Amino acid sequence: EIQMTQSPSSVSASVGDRVTITCRASQGIINWLAWYQQTPGKAPKFLIYAASALQSGVPSRFRGSGSGTDFTLTISNLQPEDFATYYCQQAHSFPWTFGQGTKVEVK
Amino acid sequence: QVQLQESGPGLVKPSETLSLTCIVSGGSINNYYWGWIRQPPGKGLEWIGNIYYSGGTNYNPSLKSRVTISVDTSKNQFSLRLNSVTAADTAVYYCARIRDYGSGSYPYGMDVWGQGTTVTVSS
Repeated sequence: EIQMTQSPSSVSASVGDRVTITCRASQGIINWLAWYQQTPGKAPKFLIYAASALQSGVPSRFRGSGSGTDFTLTISNLQPEDFATYYCQQAHSFPWTFGQGTKVEVK
Repeated sequence: QVQLQESGPGLVKPSETLSLTCIVSGGSINNYYWGWIRQPPGKGLEWIGNIYYSGGTNYNPSLKSRVTISVDTSKNQFSLRLNSVTAADTAVYYCARIRDYGSGSYPYGMDVWGQGTTVTVSS
């Protein structure tokens, strides 16, 4: 089973800031990585797949990058609706696994 | 657009079987993978397993001996059964549509989710 580790566990930021979240896989997953956003009481929302491809309808301030074992989600010009928890998920092999989540909080 | 709705009991007794159904509306269940994911209170996401519309499955090894996912294309729905539940199975359970690169090859993420249903295991 591939372990996914996200850092930091939480980050405090203000509207307009740029936030970077890191996700590391325990073994190489090429670019089989997705990112999700979850707000309290809601289902996760699909943001990015194939490490850097933006899902339809997702604002361009979200950017994914990386390959192999190290990946990054960057949110530029943070908006009020972006305060949420973000999860990475590997789709390289079953069982699919998620990172533990990174909470983006208001500073 | 496609919408998913989970249904099933919100309370299950320990040692009994948790059964949930996900109804797919606004689109066909055919030609897609479908999955179940759960989230214990205050914790992260755990992938339970998935099924292709034609019936092929993949399960999380941590649950494999207790879980069954099935599909009913005539009713445009798929289901989850989890046997011998304990308090550790208390969670919000989500169903989701899984995208792939075509013809059932290389699934890569979950693009449509149900709203989730809370299942509590307690006597």
